[in-house]
Amino acid sequence: AQSVTQLGSHVSVSEGALVLLRCNYSSSVPPYLFWYVQYPNQGLQLLLKYTTGATLVKGINGFEAEFKKSETSFHLTKPSAHMSDAAEYFCAVTPLGGKLIFGQGTELSVKP
Amino acid sequence: GAVVSQHPSRVICKSGTSVKIECRSLDFQATTMFWYRQFPKQSLMLMATSNEGSKATYEQGVEKDKFLINHASLTLSTLTVTSAHPEDSSFYICSARLGVNQPQHFGDGTRLSIL
Repeated sequence: AQSVTQLGSHVSVSEGALVLLRCNYSSSVPPYLFWYVQYPNQGLQLLLKYTTGATLVKGINGFEAEFKKSETSFHLTKPSAHMSDAAEYFCAVTPLGGKLIFGQGTELSVKP
Repeated sequence: GAVVSQHPSRVICKSGTSVKIECRSLDFQATTMFWYRQFPKQSLMLMATSNEGSKATYEQGVEKDKFLINHASLTLSTLTVTSAHPEDSSFYICSARLGVNQPQHFGDGTRLSIL
């Protein structure tokens, strides 16, 4: 069965610092990969996705993620954190045509 | 971008009441819509998958008679929580996607509180 593991339920960074949110998946075949962000009392917003092609994917709000097949990872990064980045982040995978399988989520806090 | 509208955003009602939540894809035709439930500080739990014109597929442990889903058109799906009780209080989120390998786009969720 496919699964998604997000290392660290809570990550805290200073404003301007690098953001790194980790995501590893288990799958017999490379799935489609997604990062979503959720602000309090709101739904999820798609940050970026990887389907095929270039393994470094750029998303909205300055985020990017790199698909590394050998490491079964899809870590999310942003060079410089902003206060408005504070939110819950979910990594998700979907087998071809299947349902979304979510990680547990990582809460990002940004300190002034 | 793809927009999904979910209404109402918040509902507070008495135990025993039935509550209907609407999910609309505003600028695309959604072949499939999904309904999730989210408990505080937790990830999303898929309740059911809804395809236009056919019966919803419920996940294991989700009562289909309790959570009625209707997907009558390519832009609208509804979730009705029948005879709601306090344990049904939760954050319910819908999503919609255009095609099989397309990303899901989420509504803003509905906070349901049963007194």
